Amino acid sequence: AQSVTQLDSQVPVFEEAPVELRCNYSSSVSVYLFWYVQYPNQGLQLLLKYLSGSTLVKGINGFEAEFNKSQTSFHLRKPSVHISDTAEYFCAVSTNQAGTALIFGKGTTLSVSS
Amino acid sequence: ETGVTQSPTHLIKTRGQQVTLRCSSQSGHNTVSWYQQALGQGPQFIFQYYREEENGRGNFPPRFSGLQFPNYSSELNVNALELDDSALYLCASSSGGLAGGRETQYFGPGTRLLVL
Repeated sequence: AQSVTQLDSQVPVFEEAPVELRCNYSSSVSVYLFWYVQYPNQGLQLLLKYLSGSTLVKGINGFEAEFNKSQTSFHLRKPSVHISDTAEYFCAVSTNQAGTALIFGKGTTLSVSS
Repeated sequence: ETGVTQSPTHLIKTRGQQVTLRCSSQSGHNTVSWYQQALGQGPQFIFQYYREEENGRGNFPPRFSGLQFPNYSSELNVNALELDDSALYLCASSSGGLAGGRETQYFGPGTRLLVL
């Protein structure tokens, strides 16, 4: 079985500050890792995913994440956030590369203020 | 914006009733997954349909059932609604079933169900 823990339920930051959203996972089999963003009253949008290869993954909107197998972590980072980054962020795992049958964490609310 | 659409956008039902939610897949996708997202929680996987057959299911009771049609659109049916069924229901389309492929799945905007 797999599980995902997002260590911070809320992260408030000021505009142009760096941010890190933390994610740890547990699995008895190999998994693929994903970060999704959900803006208010909308569905989920894929930010980035780790399938194989380089452990540093770059995604859309300037986000990146680093896969750390020994620490079973997949933290999301952005060097400078904008007001428009305010949203709910979900870390998820899947046993397939397409990311179906996802197991999600409970989410982290990123609030960016000026 | 993805090519995945869901209807209706909002729905209010009373406890004990039945509900049907609909999802149209992105063109070329033969796999549809359904998720339940309760308020303040992450989405939970309900089940997945691949080429009209269920081929994966999460920890949901049998009163949650589904269908996939030859055009790969899908329905989620919930019988004997309970108050805890109030949630945002998301569908996602992809190709390749549970084995998946490198192509990412795309989510629809969701249907918000309120059970009174």
